[in-house]
Amino acid sequence: DQQVKQNSPSLSVQEGRISILNCDYTNSMFDYFLWYKKYPAEGPTFLISISSIKDKNEDGRFTVFLNKSAKHLSLHIVPSQPGDSAVYFCAASAPTGANNLFFGTGTRLTVIP
Amino acid sequence: DAGVIQSPRHEVTEMGQEVTLRCKPISGHNSLFWYRQTMMRGLELLIYFNNNVPIDDSGMPEDRFSAKMPNASFSTLKIQPSEPRDSAVYFCASRPEGRTYEQYFGPGTRLTVT
Repeated sequence: DQQVKQNSPSLSVQEGRISILNCDYTNSMFDYFLWYKKYPAEGPTFLISISSIKDKNEDGRFTVFLNKSAKHLSLHIVPSQPGDSAVYFCAASAPTGANNLFFGTGTRLTVIP
Repeated sequence: DAGVIQSPRHEVTEMGQEVTLRCKPISGHNSLFWYRQTMMRGLELLIYFNNNVPIDDSGMPEDRFSAKMPNASFSTLKIQPSEPRDSAVYFCASRPEGRTYEQYFGPGTRLTVT
């Protein structure tokens, strides 16, 4: 009954190439989506977000794409850097209630120098 | 500014013992969340406080888990008695007032129950 799913537990990419992290959700009420980045021994930190009224949001090397019909979002990192190596969590929120976040299980990205 | 502070950072205890995890949210934030991270389920919300009042504790796995927030600057998560399956990383997060989604996480407490 995981409402937010990240089906790839890990991803390895060469430095300079594009990293694409994927996330699927099941609740059509979700209207806001976030990506968090987590380094070892640290808490997750906010990276980028997107509202359901948009299909793309860009911040420097990071772009999030949202496909509402497919209930799918992705995070693109271009170009990938070794410092991007971390666990990335996808999260979603519904307009009802208290804007609580539902997290996926995370994808471990390794950028190879 | 100090972020969310959690203590201890690591806790190793024997099955059956009581465990207390502590959290100090960011000053001025009025919402506080406790999460548990496991490989299988990722980050699971255990309980959520708003203005020190527990709003949603549906994620608390069993009666062995309890949480309190006696004031705006302190919260505890207690497990009594602890079991090996409680081994996980426990995160506290806080959020400022208003219609905002972004939560600010502490560094977590890694709990190992043997």
